[in-house]
Parts: sequence; C-alpha cells; structure tokens
Amino acid sequence: NAGVTQTPKFQVLKTGQSMTLQCAQDMNHNSMYWYRQDPGMGLRLIYYSASEGTTDKGEVPNGYNVSRLNKREFSLRLESAAPSQTSVYFCASSERSGQIRQHFGDGTRLSIL
Amino acid sequence: QQQVKQSPQSLIVQKGGISIINCAYENTAFDYFPWYQQFPGKGPALLIAIRPDVSEKKEGRFTISFNKSAKQFSLHIMDSQPGDSATYFCAASKGTTDSWGKFQFGAGTQVVVTP
Repeated sequence: NAGVTQTPKFQVLKTGQSMTLQCAQDMNHNSMYWYRQDPGMGLRLIYYSASEGTTDKGEVPNGYNVSRLNKREFSLRLESAAPSQTSVYFCASSERSGQIRQHFGDGTRLSIL
Repeated sequence: QQQVKQSPQSLIVQKGGISIINCAYENTAFDYFPWYQQFPGKGPALLIAIRPDVSEKKEGRFTISFNKSAKQFSLHIMDSQPGDSATYFCAASKGTTDSWGKFQFGAGTQVVVTP
C-alpha cells in the first residue's frame, strides 16, 4: 500500500545544476500536485495537473517545469537550481481536481549550495 | 503575502490538556477549510475539514470551530496525547471549479504534548 512515492528523499545540488524530482502514485488518482514547504511559509503550490495531459501553474511556478508522464507519474524539474530553491518538496494526489482529500508523499529534501 | 494567518507558531501542552490553534483569512471567496497534521519526516495528512455553513465540526478529540463573520477558524485538540505531537496546518480553498485543490496554507503550528 505505497500511496504516493517520491524519489529521491534527499539531494544536494550546486547552483546551476539541473535535477528532476520524481513522483508516482498507485491509487489511480486523476489529479497530482507539487508543493514546496519552507519554514514559516507553510505549503505553497508550484504546479498541478488536474488530469492526465494537463498541467497548470500554481502560486510559485518560476524556475520549475513539470511533466505529467502518464496517469501515475508527475515529475518536477529544476533547470538551473538556485539557492532560493532549497526546500522540502512534496508531491500529492487526489481522486479528481474537485476532491478535497489530497494524499501526500514523504517529501524530497533538496539543498542547493 | 500569506492569505491565511495561523497562530501560535508553537505551543507546549501537558498530556490531557487542550491545544488550540487559530487561523484567520481575508478572502471571503474561501469556502472550504481543512486542517492537516504532519509528523517529522512525513507528508501532511488531512485531519478534519469544515465548510462555512456549519459553525463546528467534531471528529473524536479534534474539533473545528468556525466564525464566518470574523473570518476565523480554529482547531481544538481535547485531551491532548503525546502522539498528537506534530505540526498542524490550516488551509483554505475557493469553491470554484478552477480552484479546487489549490489551497492556501497557514504557516503551521508545532504542537508538543508533554507526558
């Protein structure tokens, strides 16, 4: 009963490097989300995908790109990492975009030096 | 700026006591207010949620109180237990199709329940 799986769990990057965070869900959910969590800021939505084949910007999309590879997988890419992107990244999924209950993964802790 | 303001930032409560966390919002279009619980090293998990057509919702030891006129809502944890030690986030969402799933989160409250 995996739910939402994120890889990697930890990563250290140098400024300017690129990286893709992976997310997969096994609940047959239609909607998927990427958040970042920073101290004192709560969770902020980066991008979301209401259904397979669609993606939309959230509150803080600058510096990121996403790909909804298929119904199960939703990846987040940092093209040129910056220290301001040091954060904990969470992927979530829900049955549909109108579904309130979002299931979260355990996060990727990303440090950019 | 954060559209949902949460307080306190942290609180310590003795086992058996009541934990109270408050949130305030500005946008009157918000009409769904969930609370999430997050343990260290884990993602948030939905705890309880309320819509503005009710003033209170209770699930076990957890109660949400909602004051629509004051644009405030709060989480009460009754008979707090050490296992309740976690970070709690309030959130708010608009009830329009293009807003579903796009929550504004509070900054979080770290709750520590001492034995």
